[in-house]
Amino acid sequence: DTGVSQDPRHKITKRGQNVTFRCDPISEHNRLYWYRQTLGQGPEFLTYFQNEAQLEKSRLLSDRFSAERPKGSFSTLEIQRTEQGDSAMYLCASSPTGQGTSGSPYEQYFGPGTRLTVT
Amino acid sequence: AQSVTQLGSHVSVSEGALVLLRCNYSSSVPPYLFWYVQYPNQGLQLLLKYTSAATLVKGINGFEAEFKKSETSFHLTKPSAHMSDAAEYFCAVIQAAGNKLTFGGGTRVLVKP
Repeated sequence: DTGVSQDPRHKITKRGQNVTFRCDPISEHNRLYWYRQTLGQGPEFLTYFQNEAQLEKSRLLSDRFSAERPKGSFSTLEIQRTEQGDSAMYLCASSPTGQGTSGSPYEQYFGPGTRLTVT
Repeated sequence: AQSVTQLGSHVSVSEGALVLLRCNYSSSVPPYLFWYVQYPNQGLQLLLKYTSAATLVKGINGFEAEFKKSETSFHLTKPSAHMSDAAEYFCAVIQAAGNKLTFGGGTRVLVKP
C-alpha cells in the first residue's frame, strides 16, 4: 500500500493559463474525491467518483474546472483560464466502497496535495 | 445541511500539558465524525474516527475523543502534549450513506517547551 499520490506537489502559473493535476488513489479503492483548501481554512469538497463515474459535483466546481477518471484508476483535475482566486491546495482522497472486507467507505485517505499559486 | 464548528483557531499549550480541541457539529442525524491532523505542506492524516460504536474513541499518537450526542460535540484530547503535536487539526463529519466530508475551520496547535 503506497498511499494516495498527487502530482505535481507545487505548481506556479500565470493567470489565464490552464493547469492539470493528477491523483493516483490507493489501488484497491473505488472511490476518489477532490477537495480544495484555501489558506487558513478547512478543505471543501469539489467532486467525487465511484470507479469512472463522476457522481457528485460541488457548486464550487465552476465551468472552468473539469475532473475525469477515465479508467476508474487515476484522476485528473483541470483548471482552465486560471484566476488568482484559484490559488489553493488541491487535495485528493480515496476510500473503498465498503463491500466485503475492503474497509469503511467513510474513511478517506488523503494524498499530500498540490499547491497551486496563480500569479 | 451539516456544519462543523471548531472553537479557537489557535491553541497554545506547554509541553506536557493537556491538549483540548473543541468540535461541535450540527446535523439532524448523528453523523460519522473524524479528526484529521495536517503538518505544514502535507495532506491530512486520520487521527481517529467515530462510527456509532463506542462513544470514547482512541486514536494514534495518544489522542482520544468522546462523542456526546446531547451536546453534539466530539472534542479531541491528549493528556500530555509533545513538541511533535504542533500541527493543524481538523474535525470533519460525514452522513451515513453520504460521500463528502464537511470540515471545520481547523485549530492550529502550538506547543511551547
